[in-house]
Amino acid sequence: DAGVTQSPTHLIKTRGQQVTLRCSPKSGHDTVSWYQQALGQGPQFIFQYYEEEERQRGNFPDRFSGHQFPNYSSELNVNALLLGDSALYLCASSLPNTVGTGELFFGEGSRLTVL
Amino acid sequence: TQLLEQSPQFLSIQEGENLTVYCNSSSVFSSLQWYRQEPGEGPVLLVTVVTGGEVKKLKRLTFQFGDARKDSSLHITAAQPGDTGLYLCAGAPSGSARQLTFGSGTQLTVLP
Repeated sequence: DAGVTQSPTHLIKTRGQQVTLRCSPKSGHDTVSWYQQALGQGPQFIFQYYEEEERQRGNFPDRFSGHQFPNYSSELNVNALLLGDSALYLCASSLPNTVGTGELFFGEGSRLTVL
Repeated sequence: TQLLEQSPQFLSIQEGENLTVYCNSSSVFSSLQWYRQEPGEGPVLLVTVVTGGEVKKLKRLTFQFGDARKDSSLHITAAQPGDTGLYLCAGAPSGSARQLTFGSGTQLTVLP
């Protein structure tokens, strides 16, 4: 049973560029959440997708956008990259409406470095 | 914005010692979870506590949810090098089933 898979694992971009990160949820899960984890910090909620729609959003600018596909996989897009966007981006999958009571399954993350 | 503060931020102890990690907030959470994260990996769920005053044990780990559901603690007995990692508490805000608020984490190092 495959867990949550993310790609790429590492990438380097320069300021102003755009990046797309990808996530495939755990088998049987249809809800995908994205988190940003800066070095030495806990993850911060970016947004959650369910039924191909953004259901809730954290305190992140519009430069951060996402998409969910019919097969439940998801993409995170970040435009006009800033140095401060350097972080580990984590994807987590779950069953709907179980966040906080059920388990979030996290991928290993995509490490983004912005130069 | 509901914040979770964890203390201590860093903890380095010898194998066999006991330790407690704290997670505090001024806000009420409908539930609270503890995760452990190792380098190069995503967080892995250890426990979920839902009821105020609830205590759960997982082998040498004891988790407690405060009576008012604003705070939690993790106690490890006889720590082992395999316990090394980043321990994160995460709360589900009341009324929101869709996002978790994470604490800043406690980096635990257990020396052999």
